[in-house]
Amino acid sequence: GAVVSQHPSWVICKSGTSVKIECRSLDFQATTMFWYRQFPKQSLMLMATSNEGSKATYEQGVEKDKFLINHASLTLSTLTVTSAHPEDSSFYICSARDRGVEQFFGPGTRLTVL
Amino acid sequence: AQSVTQLDSHVSVSEGTPVLLRCNYSSSYSPSLFWYVQHPNKGLQLLLKYTSAATLVKGINGFEAEFKKSETSFHLTKPSAHMSDAAEYFCVVSASNDMRFGAGTRLTVKP
Repeated sequence: GAVVSQHPSWVICKSGTSVKIECRSLDFQATTMFWYRQFPKQSLMLMATSNEGSKATYEQGVEKDKFLINHASLTLSTLTVTSAHPEDSSFYICSARDRGVEQFFGPGTRLTVL
Repeated sequence: AQSVTQLDSHVSVSEGTPVLLRCNYSSSYSPSLFWYVQHPNKGLQLLLKYTSAATLVKGINGFEAEFKKSETSFHLTKPSAHMSDAAEYFCVVSASNDMRFGAGTRLTVKP
């Protein structure tokens, strides 16, 4: 149980295009979902927290207009990187939580912007 | 506010020898503590968690950790390292809906 999937697992796009990453909780209802970014050989940095049906809360320094987060249902959250640039290349990881403390992590999405 | 410090960025052990990955935390609340493992280009897998029950926590793959409030520590141990244990390990503290990751410890296992 408690499986979280992400799609796609990797994506390559041209600079200036937008990319959408999906995060799904497969066997539980996720009241809260989290989006993290991880640069090579570094830890995870929380980008934003989203609760179903409400606006996401972004961490300081994260541009909400560039990283659009939608949490339209209890099993799906999406992260859209708008007008992507090479510096946005990173490993993006989502996690989901029901009413407990533990977060369940997705396998991650490798984004490469050319 | 809370934070977590992983005291070693890199630990190298020989196969069959004990593993010790150190973690200290700071929290204004009674925290939950986690250890996650991440293999290259993969997501995070939960090894074990402490949530105010027994202070000695046993996890998967032979790992265990002991919560020591007086030392604000939650070190991860394993009696005998296996080659497949080579990965990045993250200590995480969580309280009041806030989750903080340590910088990570890269474990190398030599044959």
